[in-house]
Order: sequence, then C-alpha cells, then structure tokens
Amino acid sequence: AQSVSQHNHHVILSEAASLELGCNYSYGGTVNLFWYVQYPGQHLQLLLKYFSGDPLVKGIKGFEAEFIKSKFSFNLRKPSVQWSDTAEYFCAVRDSGAGSYQLTFGKGTKLSVIP
Amino acid sequence: NAGVMQNPRHLVRRRGQEARLRCSPMKGHSHVYWYRQLPEEGLKFMVYLQKENIIDESGMPKERFSAEFPKEGPSILRIQQVVRGDSAAYFCASSPPEGLYEQYFGPGTRLTVT
Repeated sequence: AQSVSQHNHHVILSEAASLELGCNYSYGGTVNLFWYVQYPGQHLQLLLKYFSGDPLVKGIKGFEAEFIKSKFSFNLRKPSVQWSDTAEYFCAVRDSGAGSYQLTFGKGTKLSVIP
Repeated sequence: NAGVMQNPRHLVRRRGQEARLRCSPMKGHSHVYWYRQLPEEGLKFMVYLQKENIIDESGMPKERFSAEFPKEGPSILRIQQVVRGDSAAYFCASSPPEGLYEQYFGPGTRLTVT
C-alpha cells in the first residue's frame, strides 16, 4: 500500500523566512501529486498539483513544489512566508497508473508564522 | 458558485446512536469521495461514489458504515451504533466527470461520540 511521509509535524518561522516542507511517498509507479492547505477554520484547498511534464510546479500564493522522481519526493517551497500562511499543509498522492481515485494523504505539517 | 457543502459541521452522538453526515457536491460535480481524519492522522479514503453507484468502498469499515449518493439530494455517510473510536473529522470531496483527478473538499463534519 502507498504511504506518504511528511517530515515535520510543526514548523515555526518568522515572517520573510524561506519555507521548505518535505514530502516523500512510497509508491514507485506513475503518480499524481498534490499539496493541500487548510487555513484555521476553513476547508482543504488545493495549493498545487503535478500530473506530468515540468517537475517544478507553481501554485497559488507564491508556493511551488518540485517532483524528484528518483527521491520519491515532492517538497513544497516558498521563498518568503507571511503571517497569513499560518495553516496546516497536507501532501497527497494518487496512483494514476492503476487509474485509482483514492488520494493517500500525509499526516500534515502545521506551519506557524510569527509576525 | 457554492463549494462543497457538508452538514452538520459538528455532531455529537452517544454510543449506540446513529450518525448521518450529508454532503452536497459542487454544482456540476457527479463524483463524491468520503475521507476520515482521526486525531493526529492524515485523511484516509473511505468510499467513492457516483450518482446511484458505489464505485470503490475499499476504505470503508466492514460493519456499521454505509454510504449512498442518490439521484436526487446529497450524499449520505451513515454510521450505525457509533462507538468512541468513530470520533473523527469526516470530509467529503467532489470532482467533475471530466476531471477525475482534482478533488474539491468540503469543510468537514466533526463527529464526537460520548
């Protein structure tokens, strides 16, 4: 079965610091990759997704992620965080080779940005 | 353009009671997915439905849990004879027929079993 690992449970940064959240998955076949964000009191929103093509994916709000197939990784980055980025971030993977609909999620990383 | 709607947002049930969670997909979406999030865990897939059909229920517990998505009305996740271990956040997502790979999530229902 697939699994998704998010390395950090809780990350605390000051405003303007750079962010990198790790995500590794276990499955070696063809995958679709996603990062979702959940702001306090709100529902999950899609930040960005990777299906194929350029492994560097740009999403909303200045976020980007890089798919490194050899490392089974899809790390999320932002050069300069803002207080409004305080939220929980979830990495998710789907086995697209098998035509699966299921998303497998990591446990999430809580990001706290200090003004 | 309303997003995915779930109600209730919070539900408290005593052990042994039934819980009914509702999900209205986004307009034009005919595919619904249910996920469960236990404390300190990621979301876990439960079931995938299309109108009047269960497509994949591989993540559903074998007993007490059922789901439906009728021709008219919202999708329902039903938990019979709830136990404390059912306490969790239940999320619904929907997707359009032509974009199976992008799922849009609702705000979730937080179920507490006392």
